[in-house]
Amino acid sequence: KAGVTQTPRYLIKTRGQQVTLSCSPISGHRSVSWYQQTPGQGLQFLFEYFSETQRNKGNFPGRFSGRQFSNSRSEMNVSTLELGDSALYLCASSQGQGISSYEQYFGPGTRLTVT
Amino acid sequence: AQSVTQLGSHVSVSEGALVLLRCNYSSSVPPYLFWYVQYPNQGLQLLLKYTSAATLVKGINGFEAEFKKSETSFHLTKPSAHMSDAAEYFCAVRIYSGAGSYQLTFGKGTKLSVIP
Repeated sequence: KAGVTQTPRYLIKTRGQQVTLSCSPISGHRSVSWYQQTPGQGLQFLFEYFSETQRNKGNFPGRFSGRQFSNSRSEMNVSTLELGDSALYLCASSQGQGISSYEQYFGPGTRLTVT
Repeated sequence: AQSVTQLGSHVSVSEGALVLLRCNYSSSVPPYLFWYVQYPNQGLQLLLKYTSAATLVKGINGFEAEFKKSETSFHLTKPSAHMSDAAEYFCAVRIYSGAGSYQLTFGKGTKLSVIP
């Protein structure tokens, strides 16, 4: 099975712009979770989508949003970028339900740099 | 609230020496615990998981971890370090957030250096 893919791998944006990141989960997985990784805050949960619905949300401002499509692919959007949004954004997929629903498989991440 | 604490942000070992990375958890319910490894410029790879079955869990690349309820610990070990083990290691606990949703809460990570 192909793993989790994320595009683009690297991105440079200017403060005030918006950005969209994409994640394709493992085939058959219906849940996609997003995490932000920074040197200062570590790994923090952003949100989770399951069957095109946001099922859970972390403690991030409304500038961070996402969506999931019928094929389980997910996008994450950050509007009005701030310097502090510079981070590695990781996507993780899981089955989303059932006995193995807790097993999350991570993609390589998108490195976002805001200047 | 459930959380994990990793002791030591940086650990150095000699090649061939024992690797011991420490993780303590806080949980009011039986926890599901995980160890992930992250190589530079890559995502997280699952090393092993504890799901309330056997307390000694074996993972990939020769790593194992032992769940000790009395000590609220889930330390990661490997008998003999290899140069390729140099990476950052994260301990995580699964949290149930309702509506069938789980999220992972991670420790701050431990960077492992292997000295030749």
